[in-house]
Formats: sequence, C-alpha cells, structure tokens
Amino acid sequence: EIVLTQSPGTLSLSPGERATLSCRASQNIKSSFLAWYQQRPGQAPRLLIYGASSRATGIPDRFSGSGSGTDFSLTINRVEPEDFAVYYCQQYGGSPPHTFGQGTKVDIK
Amino acid sequence: EVQLVQSGAEVKKPGESLKISCKASGYSFTDDWIGWVRQMPGKGLEWMGIIFPRDSDTRYSPSFEGQVTISADKSINTAYLQWSSLRASDTATYFCARPNAYDYYFDFWGQGTLVTVSS
Repeated sequence: EIVLTQSPGTLSLSPGERATLSCRASQNIKSSFLAWYQQRPGQAPRLLIYGASSRATGIPDRFSGSGSGTDFSLTINRVEPEDFAVYYCQQYGGSPPHTFGQGTKVDIK
Repeated sequence: EVQLVQSGAEVKKPGESLKISCKASGYSFTDDWIGWVRQMPGKGLEWMGIIFPRDSDTRYSPSFEGQVTISADKSINTAYLQWSSLRASDTATYFCARPNAYDYYFDFWGQGTLVTVSS
C-alpha cells in the first residue's frame, strides 16, 4: 500500500499570497496518477487536479499541480478567500487501495 | 449531469446493522466503478473500496475488508455500504464517489451520509 505524506499540516496565509503544498509518496507513483482535492467545511471533497498537473473542469487557473515519481506539489497563486480549506492528495496508480494523504489545512493568517 | 444522492443521516446503537445507499444518475451506472470514502470526525479521507456494478467486482482496502460490505443494485442504479454489527468507531461521514471512466480519481461525489453509533 502506498503511503502519502502531506506537508505542512497547516499553512497560514493572507489573501493574495501563494500557497505551496507538498505530497510525498512512499514509492513511485506510475504515470503520475496523482490527484488533488479541496474540501471546505461541511462539504464533500471537490476534484482540483488529476494526472499530477491537469486541472479538472471549472477549476480556476490559479491552481496548478506538478511533480512526478514520489514528489508532488499543489500551488495556489494569489489565494482567494474561498480557497481557505483542507487539501488532500490521492494516488490512483496500480492496484487498490488508492490511498489519500492526511491533508493540509490552508487557513487565514 | 452526473449526480450521486446519498441516504440520510443515521443514529444507531453498537451491535446494530445498517445499510446506507448512493443513487446514481446522469451516466451509465453499469459502465463505471463507484466507491466509498470514510471521514471520521475532524479527520482525513480514507479510501474504503470500489465496486463495478455490471459484474459486482469489488475491491476493498485491507483496512476495511471484512468490516463492511459494498454492493450495488444495477436495476435501480444504487450502490450500498453495509455493516452487520456497528461499533462506536464506525461513527463517521461516508461519501460515495465515482472514479473517472479512464482512471481512478474521483470526479463526482455524493453529499455524504453521517453515521453516528452511540449507546
């Protein structure tokens, strides 16, 4: 089973700043099968990024993903008030389980 | 439009059984996998398992195998998650979600079902 470790646990930012979130895998993720989700309080998660760097439908271009192998990142350029939420990475390469990271909370400084 | 509509919140006692549902619409239910994700109070997302409704092929996370049963009724486009004997530690919100047709990331999610197990 692939273990995903996200860092930092919490990121405190002011609106307009850049956020960089990290997701590190315990083993190589083939074909960059890595997704990112946003979860606001009381809501279901929402897909942001798949294939490590492809934005899902309707996702603003301030969100971008990068990385390969075992190291991946999600960047939010110029954080907006609605971006304060918890972010999860998920690997979906190979056999199940398609595990999630433990999450990074982006909150207001 | 793809929609996943889950059954309502449940309050149960330890030892009771439970089956929650997820009704799918807007796509061909038998052509895609559908899965379940657990979120314990204040905690992160946990991948539980997925099922392919056409033939009921089911894959579980080792953490959940034997603890829950995932099933589907393709005649009514509905997936289920069930417990035969609930524990307090099953208290959580459970989301159903549909993996993308070509890969296994979840592109559509249900609204979640809160299950509370308390004596």
